[in-house]
Amino acid sequence: DIQMTQSPSSLSASVGDRVTITCRASQGIRNDLGWYQQKPGKAPKRLIYAASSLQSGVPSRFSGSGSGTEFTLTISSLQPEDFATYYCLQHNSWTFGQGTKVEIK
Amino acid sequence: QVQLQESGPGLVKPSQTLSLTCTVSGGSISSGSYYWSWIRQPAGKGLEWIGRIYTSGSTNYNPSLKSRVTISVDTSKNQFSLKLSSVTAADTAVYYCAREEYCTNGVCYGFDPWGQGTLVTVSS
Repeated sequence: DIQMTQSPSSLSASVGDRVTITCRASQGIRNDLGWYQQKPGKAPKRLIYAASSLQSGVPSRFSGSGSGTEFTLTISSLQPEDFATYYCLQHNSWTFGQGTKVEIK
Repeated sequence: QVQLQESGPGLVKPSQTLSLTCTVSGGSISSGSYYWSWIRQPAGKGLEWIGRIYTSGSTNYNPSLKSRVTISVDTSKNQFSLKLSSVTAADTAVYYCAREEYCTNGVCYGFDPWGQGTLVTVSS
């Protein structure tokens, strides 16, 4: 099975900060990775698919990069509505990362 | 715009079978190149993919749950269903249904949209 290691598990940041979240795969998965945002009590929402393709309607401050075993989600300028938990998902065996909770500093 | 809605008992006794249904509205479950999936999330924890079905009836299951899971589809009702047998307290979670588009030309799209989720508690 392919394991996904997501880091950090949580972070504190201020509005306007640049935030980076990383997922590492235990073996190469090409670009078969997506990023999801989940707010408390809500279903996850797709932000990024195929590692770097932005879901329609998602603000351009969100971006994804990477290929193979290392992937990154970047929020270029954190907004109040971005405080949430973020998960990566690899599509080969549908394994989610452990999640990163982004909290207000 | 396609929407998904989970339904089913919120309380299941240990050793019994959990049964949930996902109703698809705003489009036909048979149209397009989609899988229909179940995902769960224990309180305060991460997401776990349970399995998926195509409208032909072909299925894929999480190996860790495969012996206890059955996913089926009823195209006439635009619904798909989850059955999880021999449940324990560890199966207490919010259960989501979601649509997954086929990977095409090397692009995999993941899950969108999702249902709002339904909490299932396993307790006597």
